[in-house]
Amino acid sequence: AQSVAQPEDQVNVAEGNPLTVKCTYSVSGNPYLFWYVQYPNRGLQFLLKYITGDNLVKGSYGFEAEFNKSQTSFHLKKPSALVSDSALYFCAVRDATSGAGSYQLTFGKGTKLSVIP
Amino acid sequence: SQTIHQWPATLVQPVGSPLSLECTVEGTSNPNLYWYRQAAGRGLQLLFYSVGIGQISSEVPQNLSASRPQDRQFILSSKKLLLSDSGFYLCAWSGRMYEQYFGPGTRLTVT
Repeated sequence: AQSVAQPEDQVNVAEGNPLTVKCTYSVSGNPYLFWYVQYPNRGLQFLLKYITGDNLVKGSYGFEAEFNKSQTSFHLKKPSALVSDSALYFCAVRDATSGAGSYQLTFGKGTKLSVIP
Repeated sequence: SQTIHQWPATLVQPVGSPLSLECTVEGTSNPNLYWYRQAAGRGLQLLFYSVGIGQISSEVPQNLSASRPQDRQFILSSKKLLLSDSGFYLCAWSGRMYEQYFGPGTRLTVT
């Protein structure tokens, strides 16, 4: 079974400060990891993914995430937050060793990011 | 480029009425398709997924059903809506890449 935990329901950060949204995961094999952002009453937008290779992954809108296998974490980061980054952020995981047909992603419950002007 | 459409955008239906939500994908062939429901509390629940025409897998037994009559069309249906069916319904697709791409969603309110 695969699972994702986003330990913070809400994160508040001042505009211009660095931001971190935390995610930890559990899978039987190697993980495929994803971050999505959702603005109010909109669908989820894909930000970035870790499949293999470099542990630091860069994505859209200046976001990046660091894969840490020993801590089973995949935290989302941005060096300087913008007010427009305020949204709901979801981490998702899929077990890389799951068989054909197992295409499901398991999503965390989401973290609401508020960037304060 | 690929795009995904959902309609209607919003829907208000009485309890006991039928439901039909439609999702279509453009710019790709043989996508995997998914239906999710997002309740007010924000978590995503996978309802159905499909790897091909006529192939539907259900993740949660309930009064909803899904069909895939064409390669890039995915339909979510119900014969009789319950109050608990209210929520934000999201369709998504994936191809040979690993991530899923989501549509704009349908806000369903059952009264």
